[in-house]
Amino acid sequence: QVQLVESGGGVFQAGRSLRLSCVGSGFTFSDYGMHWVRQAPGKGLEWVAVISLDGSNKYYADSVRGRFTISRDNSQNTLWLQVDSLRSEDTAVYYCARPPPGITLASTKFDNWGQGSLVTVAS
Amino acid sequence: SFVLAQPPSVSVAPGKTATFTCGANNIGSKSVHWYQQRPGQAPVLVIYYDYVRPSGIPERFSGSNSGNTATLTISRVEPGDEADYYCQLWDSSNDRGVFGGGTKLTVL
Repeated sequence: QVQLVESGGGVFQAGRSLRLSCVGSGFTFSDYGMHWVRQAPGKGLEWVAVISLDGSNKYYADSVRGRFTISRDNSQNTLWLQVDSLRSEDTAVYYCARPPPGITLASTKFDNWGQGSLVTVAS
Repeated sequence: SFVLAQPPSVSVAPGKTATFTCGANNIGSKSVHWYQQRPGQAPVLVIYYDYVRPSGIPERFSGSNSGNTATLTISRVEPGDEADYYCQLWDSSNDRGVFGGGTKLTVL
């Protein structure tokens, strides 16, 4: 079955950097674009970023563009999210999410989610 | 760009019908998806492409989308349906995902 497992969360100082990982199994990782979605404590879901099948195309939410970098290694079935210059507002559970297979982003939905990785930014 | 408006809460008695709205200008021209999120858990897709139920989702869940409002309906509500519900679409003009603020369902 499809599994997405995030790791790399914890407590970090404001201004520092972190890298979150998401390992996929149970499917052909390279057939899917991949997304990150986050959720601040007690708040709603916020889409963060997407990366294409081969990593050549990346798109970001306005709120994170310039500080976050999404990347992937299909040989390791791994998705990453690099977060630089951490801010208190980055405190959230970060989920990786898998859409349907293929290259198109139009009408994208999130069929599968990881369990999430909690990032807490201390000031 | 799209901003999706959802009421913060809905309350309904068991066995009754719960209706969740997701509003935006001309949302009927987009495909809308709905997620259920129970406390402490990851979201689960319950309706996609406006009205399609994934396998394993009860027939009590249905959806529609027209004009400026997309709607998720849960018939014969059960205590286990208590959760937050989010609508979502893909904004192709900006290449970004958009979620509504979510609606908390309380089963009385």
